[in-house]
Amino acid sequence: AQSVSQHNHHVILSEAASLELGCNYSYGGTVNLFWYVQYPGQHLQLLLKYFSGDPLVKGIKGFEAEFIKSKFSFNLRKPSVQWSDTAEYFCAVTPGKTGANNLFFGTGTRLTVIP
Amino acid sequence: GAVVSQHPSRVICKSGTSVKIECRSLDFQATTMFWYRQFPKQSLMLMATSNEGSKATYEQGVEKDKFLINHASLTLSTLTVTSAHPEDSSFYICSALGGAWGGGEQFFGPGTRLTVL
Repeated sequence: AQSVSQHNHHVILSEAASLELGCNYSYGGTVNLFWYVQYPGQHLQLLLKYFSGDPLVKGIKGFEAEFIKSKFSFNLRKPSVQWSDTAEYFCAVTPGKTGANNLFFGTGTRLTVIP
Repeated sequence: GAVVSQHPSRVICKSGTSVKIECRSLDFQATTMFWYRQFPKQSLMLMATSNEGSKATYEQGVEKDKFLINHASLTLSTLTVTSAHPEDSSFYICSALGGAWGGGEQFFGPGTRLTVL
């Protein structure tokens, strides 16, 4: 069965620090990859997605992620975090060519940014 | 655009009663909607895929007779938790699949907190 691992459960950073959140998946075939963010009290929002093409994907709010097929990874990065980035971040995968159907989510990483 | 609402946002009910949760796509039509369940400090788990005009597809381990899903229109899907028990207490989240215009993205509702006493 497909699984998505996010090894960092809670990350605490000071403002302006760089961020990298890990995401690994276990599926050998074609995958579509997503990062979602959930701000306190709000619904899930899409940060960025990878379907095909350039493995370095740029999303909203200065976030980017790199798909490394050989490592089954899709890590999220931001060069300089802000207090407003405090949120829960979820990596998600859909197998095959199903677009955004059948999303499998990781357990999430809570990011706390200290002013 | 691409807003999904859920009603109610939170509900408390007695054990043995049924609870209906609504999921609406406010400004787009969605032939496919999804229902997820999220336990504290855990990930979202897909419960079922709801397709307008047809029966829902349930994930393994999800009781279809307990979690009734109806997708009667292109903008509304409902989840009814029948004969609710305390172990059904959870956060239920729906999403609606955008069409080609939305790049095939799922748009999520704000969730419904169910507490069964």
